[in-house]
Amino acid sequence: SQTIHQWPATLVQPVGSPLSLECTVEGTSNPNLYWYRQAAGRGLQLLFYSVGIGQISSEVPQNLSASRPQDRQFILSSKKLLLSDSGFYLCAWTDYTEAFFGQGTRLTVV
Amino acid sequence: AQSVTQLDSQVPVFEEAPVELRCNYSSSVSVYLFWYVQYPNQGLQLLLKYLSGSTLVKSINGFEAEFNKSQTSFHLRKPSVHISDTAEYFCAVRVVNDYKLSFGAGTTVTVRA
Repeated sequence: SQTIHQWPATLVQPVGSPLSLECTVEGTSNPNLYWYRQAAGRGLQLLFYSVGIGQISSEVPQNLSASRPQDRQFILSSKKLLLSDSGFYLCAWTDYTEAFFGQGTRLTVV
Repeated sequence: AQSVTQLDSQVPVFEEAPVELRCNYSSSVSVYLFWYVQYPNQGLQLLLKYLSGSTLVKSINGFEAEFNKSQTSFHLRKPSVHISDTAEYFCAVRVVNDYKLSFGAGTTVTVRA
């Protein structure tokens, strides 16, 4: 069966520090991968999606970037975090019908 | 592009009472529709989905949703809620053969004894 791993679960980072969140999928090949950010009361905002290795689509201009170095690995990064980057980040993959989510990373920028 | 509107941000309800969470979407083409549930500090879990066929879909824990194409709605209902149904619920839409899954802002359901 397919599983999705996302880490770390929580992270506290100072303003201006770099960020790297990792997501890996097992049990499927060539998945569509997504990064969402959830801010309180604002639902889920799609940040990036990828349909293949090295293929990244950005949905909103921001301080973040994404990379897909391997088929089942999706990384969310930032060179310098801002206070506004705080939130709950969710990785997901889809099989053309439904989406499967990781457990999320709670990022607090201080 | 498709969009999703969840009309209620907070829904307080007493245990064993019915609940309805409203969801409307906008899209000019065929869509798939979903309801997800999120418990505190966890990822999202699929509650139910509409892909095609019967417009009434049901989950294993008593929720149901009905796809209404003319009203572009996919409201979620449960005839009798439990304390354990306290969670945030998200409606989502995906255009058939597209990659993007768009979510509503979410509805927080708080069930009280």
